Amino acid sequence: QVQLQESGPGLVKPSGTLSLKCSISGASLGRYYWSWLRQAPGRGLQWIGYLSRHDSTNVDNPLESRASISGDASTNQFSLTLNSLTAADTAVYYCARHADGYNYSPLDVWGQGLLVTVAS
Amino acid sequence: DIQMTQSPSSLSASVGDRVTITCRASQNLIRYLNWYQQKPGKAPKLLIHVTSSLQSGVPSRFSGSGSGTDFTLSISSLQPEDSATYYCQQSYSTPLTFGGGTKVEI
Repeated sequence: QVQLQESGPGLVKPSGTLSLKCSISGASLGRYYWSWLRQAPGRGLQWIGYLSRHDSTNVDNPLESRASISGDASTNQFSLTLNSLTAADTAVYYCARHADGYNYSPLDVWGQGLLVTVAS
Repeated sequence: DIQMTQSPSSLSASVGDRVTITCRASQNLIRYLNWYQQKPGKAPKLLIHVTSSLQSGVPSRFSGSGSGTDFTLSISSLQPEDSATYYCQQSYSTPLTFGGGTKVEI
C-alpha cells in the first residue's frame, strides 16, 4: 500500500522560506511523477508543480520564481521549497502521486496534508 | 491555462436521489478529466479518472461521462456518506487545474 507523509514547519514568518518534505512508502520515487498542491482555508485546490520520474520538474508559472521541487532517491523523498512567503501562502499543502507514471495520470495517492500558516 | 468551471457550486439532496455535477473546460480535454471527493479535514480522494473509469474501491453508484469540454459526475443513489465537496481536474496539460468544487449536502 502506497503512503505519503508531508513534514515541515506549521508556522513560517512572512518573507521567510518554507521547506516541506514528502516521504514515500510502498513506491519508488523514480517510477512515478509526484506533485505538490495546496488549498488555502475554505478555498479550492491549486497545483504547485511536479517532479517527474526523469528527475525534471514543472512548476506553475505564477510560482515559478519562488518555488522549487527536488527529489532524493536515497531517502525516497521529494521536497518543496517556497520562498518570499506572504499570508497568501497560508494553506494546507499536499503531496500526491500521479498514477501509472505519466504526468497526465490522475492523482491516485495523497498525503494527509500539512497546514502551513504564514504569520509573524 | 485551461479553466475549469463546475456547477452547481452547492446542492442539497435527499438519500436515494440521483445527483449530477457538471464540469466545463475552456479547451478540449479529449477525455483527460478526473473527479475527486474531499471530506472536511481530509485529503481529496480519486473517484473517477479519464472521464469514466471508476477508481478501485469506489462504489458503483458513482459514474462519469463526457468528452471534449463537457463532463458530468453522477451519483445514482445518494448515500449519507456522500456528503462532501467534489472537484473535477484536467490532466490534459500543465498547469493542472481544478474546478471550483461542488459541495453536496444531504
